[in-house]
Amino acid sequence: QVQLQESGPGLVKPSETLSLTCSVSGGSISTYYWSWLRQSPRKGLEWLGYIHNGRSTNNNPSLKSRVTISVDTSKNQFSLKLSSVTAADTAVYYCARAIFGAMDVWGKGTTVTVSS
Amino acid sequence: EIVMTQSPATLSVSPGETATLACRASQSVGNNLAWYQQKPGQAPRLLIYGASTRATGIPAKFSGSGSATEFTLIISSLQSEDLAVYYCQQYNNWPLTFGGGSKLEIK
Repeated sequence: QVQLQESGPGLVKPSETLSLTCSVSGGSISTYYWSWLRQSPRKGLEWLGYIHNGRSTNNNPSLKSRVTISVDTSKNQFSLKLSSVTAADTAVYYCARAIFGAMDVWGKGTTVTVSS
Repeated sequence: EIVMTQSPATLSVSPGETATLACRASQSVGNNLAWYQQKPGQAPRLLIYGASTRATGIPAKFSGSGSATEFTLIISSLQSEDLAVYYCQQYNNWPLTFGGGSKLEIK
């Protein structure tokens, strides 16, 4: 049974880069699509982007070019970097596996607060 | 970007009754529509994909229907454990987008 676990700092300063990692257990990261999403009271659930086959990515254009998603197949992990953060990026961040675009396995989520 | 609109925002239903939740897309998404259940303090859980196919382990009390721009999630024989927020999500177009959610309250 595939399980996902997010990890990373819970507090990030404005203008810095938010970095999170999702560890995948119980299955290979080499298949499927692997996504990052976030949830905040202001914007609800928001899809940030995905990575597939270790290199193919697609990001939400609303975040312009601030999002970078990468994968480390040797560690069975994928990562999110969100640059130039502001208070509006405060949210619960989730990693998830996608099948046909629907997220069938989710991590528990990690809260990230942007504050000085 | 496709905008997903859910109604009602809140629904209060008695145990044993049936809840009907609606989701509308700003343009056709075909059958590329998923429903999720999110209980307090938990991550969303996939209930339905392909508009009407139940995900693994989801009981038959959850049923989805619709196509193009109009979709419905029906939850029958409501129990207290069904208290949650339900979201729809389209995956026909990038970016993937979610509705604002329908909160189900049990009377």
